[in-house]
Amino acid sequence: DTGVSQDPRHKITKRGQNVTFRCDPISEHNRLYWYRQTLGQGPEFLTYFQNEAQLEKSRLLSDRFSAERPKGSFSTLEIQRTEQGDSAMYLCASSLGQWGNTIYFGEGSWLTVV
Amino acid sequence: GENVEQHPSTLSVQEGDSAVIKCTYSDSASNYFPWYKQELGKRPQLIIDIRSNVGEKKDQRIAVTLNKTAKHFSLHITETQPEDSAVYFCAASNPLTGNTGFQKLVFGTGTRLLVSP
Repeated sequence: DTGVSQDPRHKITKRGQNVTFRCDPISEHNRLYWYRQTLGQGPEFLTYFQNEAQLEKSRLLSDRFSAERPKGSFSTLEIQRTEQGDSAMYLCASSLGQWGNTIYFGEGSWLTVV
Repeated sequence: GENVEQHPSTLSVQEGDSAVIKCTYSDSASNYFPWYKQELGKRPQLIIDIRSNVGEKKDQRIAVTLNKTAKHFSLHITETQPEDSAVYFCAASNPLTGNTGFQKLVFGTGTRLLVSP
């Protein structure tokens, strides 16, 4: 499968712990997005990278969240001092080139904070 | 910012019937409108999209219509099949002024479609 890959698929963590999710976009895609989805809701935008540069961040992304995309390839999303409200599915997506090109989503990483 | 509303939240149809899902958006600058299908535990997958220079687009049993004046767009599925059962999300996007082509999708809250055999 040459789609967007995410790891881990599921993570259960205790409140206050740090977690990190990894995303491998489709290989030639220079644009990478992180979204968050809670049960019964549509995905909500978190942040955007073009190559290695993080160009947009949502107000949803508190200072406990940090995302990186070294070398413009894979990306990581770290959540520090997790809270129960962080429980959600974290979706990574990628696209190529021009605006309006299809955004392809990964299978998501489910986070449960207990 | 953009706000997308989607109706209905749940839709039950018999196999072979048609299904229509409607979305409205608030930002008149939005000009890209994709629809995603998400099966339980799976990734959202694009099924069709439309850009604002087009009023209607069709792909086999699926069609999307766009009314820019009224700021609403709809998904039409004909001859529904049980495998069409899933959650469908509409989204809207507009290009940021003077930017790099960043494309922020704003999603509706989803429609759970159930097709009964």
